[in-house]
Amino acid sequence: GENVEQHPSTLSVQEGDSAVIKCTYSDSASNYFPWYKQELGKGPQLIIDIRSNVGEKKDQRIAVTLNKTAKHFSLHITETQPEDSAVYFCAARTGRRALTFGSGTRLQVQP
Amino acid sequence: KAGVTQTPRYLIKTRGQQVTLSCSPISGHRSVSWYQQTPGQGLQFLFEYFSETQRNKGNFPGRFSGRQFSNSRSEMNVSTLELGDSALYLCASGTPGSQETQYFGPGTRLLVL
Repeated sequence: GENVEQHPSTLSVQEGDSAVIKCTYSDSASNYFPWYKQELGKGPQLIIDIRSNVGEKKDQRIAVTLNKTAKHFSLHITETQPEDSAVYFCAARTGRRALTFGSGTRLQVQP
Repeated sequence: KAGVTQTPRYLIKTRGQQVTLSCSPISGHRSVSWYQQTPGQGLQFLFEYFSETQRNKGNFPGRFSGRQFSNSRSEMNVSTLELGDSALYLCASGTPGSQETQYFGPGTRLLVL
């Protein structure tokens, strides 16, 4: 089955800096890659997603890039703010199969 | 539009008991997926229901079961609870159509003593 690896497991940045989280996937047929943000005591919140026919997608301070050849995708957060502090999960899906999640990255933005 | 709702939010049970968790998807969504989240194993897929039929199933023992009703609401049941079943159980509802996006509820935190 699909395997998704996520790095780093923890990331600490200064407010205003950029943060990058990387994921690799194993199934070359995967075609959908969402990113979720989970704050303490809450369920994961979808923040951005990308499909395999697109190489990059941007939404304000958040962007995701996809390299199908290398089978990896990354989340980029620019001008980080304290409220960006949370656990971020990447995921991959093939067709109508279930999402397979990475192990999560705890992002800490220091004011 | 209201989000995914899950009840109860917190639950304490003892080993050997059974538990039923409920999930109401976003209005208009017909698929519901369940996930177990633990610090050690992360987010693991349990099963997915679409139009009252199980569409996908994860690698969990038969003690974990689910169902979906005609109004798309879903329940999951865990029988003969074990200490290792303590977890956050998350429900996600999927947008209709071929390019499905999943939105999660707040989860039910289950503690098994």
